[in-house]
Amino acid sequence: DTGVSQDPRHKITKRGQNVTFRCDPISEHNRLYWYRQTLGQGPEFLTYFQNEAQLEKSRLLSDRFSAERPKGSFSTLEIQRTEQGDSAMYLCASSLTGTVKYYGYTFGSGTRLTVV
Amino acid sequence: QKEVEQNSGPLSVPEGAIASLNCTYSDRGSQSFFWYRQYSGKSPELIMFIYSNGDKEDGRFTAQLNKASQYVSLLIRDSQPSDSATYLCARGDMRFGAGTRLTVKP
Repeated sequence: DTGVSQDPRHKITKRGQNVTFRCDPISEHNRLYWYRQTLGQGPEFLTYFQNEAQLEKSRLLSDRFSAERPKGSFSTLEIQRTEQGDSAMYLCASSLTGTVKYYGYTFGSGTRLTVV
Repeated sequence: QKEVEQNSGPLSVPEGAIASLNCTYSDRGSQSFFWYRQYSGKSPELIMFIYSNGDKEDGRFTAQLNKASQYVSLLIRDSQPSDSATYLCARGDMRFGAGTRLTVKP
């Protein structure tokens, strides 16, 4: 197990297209977060899963964004009808309940989205 | 008002000095906080987690939490050029501030 894996690393898409990103957390981790980060800003919370349940979703998120974690393992983030303002780094982070205060959350390397 | 506020900097200190990074929060109910470090082009990595009032030390790093005044700080002693990065403060529910960019000059 080499950590949190995100795929693809880079995605260039045309405005209006749909894109889907995948996150594979560390195998035993039950908590999973998605973030969006733009240059010079901290990670912006998008959504949070505990096992397969989506427990929280940012109110800032439009209906164009959706996320799933069907079996409590990997997660997908889909953006429909992409806009230029969606261009950002999308980060995934995971942890195991009970270990957060020791190990925090482990981040993946992110997917960089460019909308042209 | 953002949930977690940080001075975006940049903060510049000479090598060997103490770097002091600060974070304030608006929700008095917040119980715990993380400090993460993010090198340019990389993902955040954990420095420390703190949930009790007072100081917590780990090597050259000391985190301080003051729940009455609603601030969290991170002190880096004997700063090294390799400490140059953006330092992110986050609440226990993983809501981040904007980060403070630190430069340590040789």
